[in-house]
Amino acid sequence: DAGVIQSPRHEVTEMGQEVTLRCKPISGHNSLFWYRQTMMRGLELLIYFNNNVPIDDSGMPEDRFSAKMPNASFSTLKIQPSEPRDSAVYFCASSTVGLGQLLANYGYTFGSGTRLTVV
Amino acid sequence: GEDVEQSLFLSVREGDSSVINCTYTDSSSTYLYWYKQEPGAGLQLLTYIFSNMDMKQDQRLTVLLNKKDKHLSLRIADTQTGDSAIYFCAEMDSSYKLIFGSGTRLLVRP
Repeated sequence: DAGVIQSPRHEVTEMGQEVTLRCKPISGHNSLFWYRQTMMRGLELLIYFNNNVPIDDSGMPEDRFSAKMPNASFSTLKIQPSEPRDSAVYFCASSTVGLGQLLANYGYTFGSGTRLTVV
Repeated sequence: GEDVEQSLFLSVREGDSSVINCTYTDSSSTYLYWYKQEPGAGLQLLTYIFSNMDMKQDQRLTVLLNKKDKHLSLRIADTQTGDSAIYFCAEMDSSYKLIFGSGTRLLVRP
């Protein structure tokens, strides 16, 4: 298994541009998570999907952020328009835990992250 | 809401033991985790402990859980330079979300 695959690894964009981050979860995992990591705020959960359905998006900072999971093998996180304060490392993680399941010992498998720099 | 707290930094000499501490607030957490993050990489699951256990040992790693005090610790025996990384404590809440601490940066001096 190739693990959780994120692309691109690095993204540099100008303020105001649209940015799309991509994630391919581990095959068979039914839950997908998007996290943002910064020095100031640490790891923040942005949104959580279970069986392709958004369950909790309370961590999405603003309407400029949106996430989709059109099928079990792909998710995107979009920022439009991007701002310098969005600069961070964005991680995708997947797992088999979910509503009604007691498989919590599996934890999450993280991707290598996308380092976003907005100038 | 849930909160997980860790000290920010720990420095040890190679060969010594490292102890990283964590406190959490959600008494209903069933599983608690330790993750390791090396520079430029994602988080890697190191170990986990079920809430009805007091201790779990896995090679050089020992996890101790004091559920009464909501205190979790990770002990790394014979710490090596390759153990230098950021270590995150995490608890799983009732909706199966992982709540992470701020991470402890471990520096191993030769």
